[in-house]
Amino acid sequence: AQKITQTQPGMFVQEKEAVTLDCTYDTSDQSYGLFWYKQPSSGEMIFLIYQGSYDEQNATEGRYSLNFQKARKSANLVISASQLGDSAMYFCAIFDRGSTLGRLYFGRGTQLTVWP
Amino acid sequence: EPEVTQTPSHQVTQMGQEVILRCVPISNHLYFYWYRQILGQKVEFLVSFYNNEISEKSEIFDDQFSVERPDGSNFTLKIRSTKLEDSAMYFCASSDQGKGAKNIQYFGAGTRLSVL
Repeated sequence: AQKITQTQPGMFVQEKEAVTLDCTYDTSDQSYGLFWYKQPSSGEMIFLIYQGSYDEQNATEGRYSLNFQKARKSANLVISASQLGDSAMYFCAIFDRGSTLGRLYFGRGTQLTVWP
Repeated sequence: EPEVTQTPSHQVTQMGQEVILRCVPISNHLYFYWYRQILGQKVEFLVSFYNNEISEKSEIFDDQFSVERPDGSNFTLKIRSTKLEDSAMYFCASSDQGKGAKNIQYFGAGTRLSVL
């Protein structure tokens, strides 16, 4: 069963504007973690932000924030004041506490392009 | 800032040959993972490792694959007899938290394996 759905294969945003990347998830667990990773064209996977299912407040890390709507099972990433260096593939992932050490299930990703 | 280091960055091999992909996890981390990403596809879990044992493996991780922590710093993935379909980017990840905690997995830059 697909656990993470990212419906936007590509997004475009102008520099300095904000952009929201969508992520919905499916889990029967009450306790889980949600993650966003950035993958630039060089290929590495960079951790951006984490949201625990019991966290009462939306997670923020600098220009990144996570719009967590538990009832809707969505965990959208908001990037404020986009920069050219934000152009990359962005992956949403869920931490499956049903597994022994918590494997991550990734979505198919959203390719973000920031233009000047 | 501590990081996960993977070598080599690119490995080219002939079908049927053995390859060893190497990883140096973050020094105080105890939980280790391998993931792979076939070009254009989502990142997939292969195996998790803790206390010198495999904790969990996916259906992808068949008898051709093995993992080892040969010393206190390295973590390796071996593919005994490579197939064309093993061509992918292989990511090592490590975490200082296991299941039931805030398990943030930090990824290396990946090894791109090309099987000819």
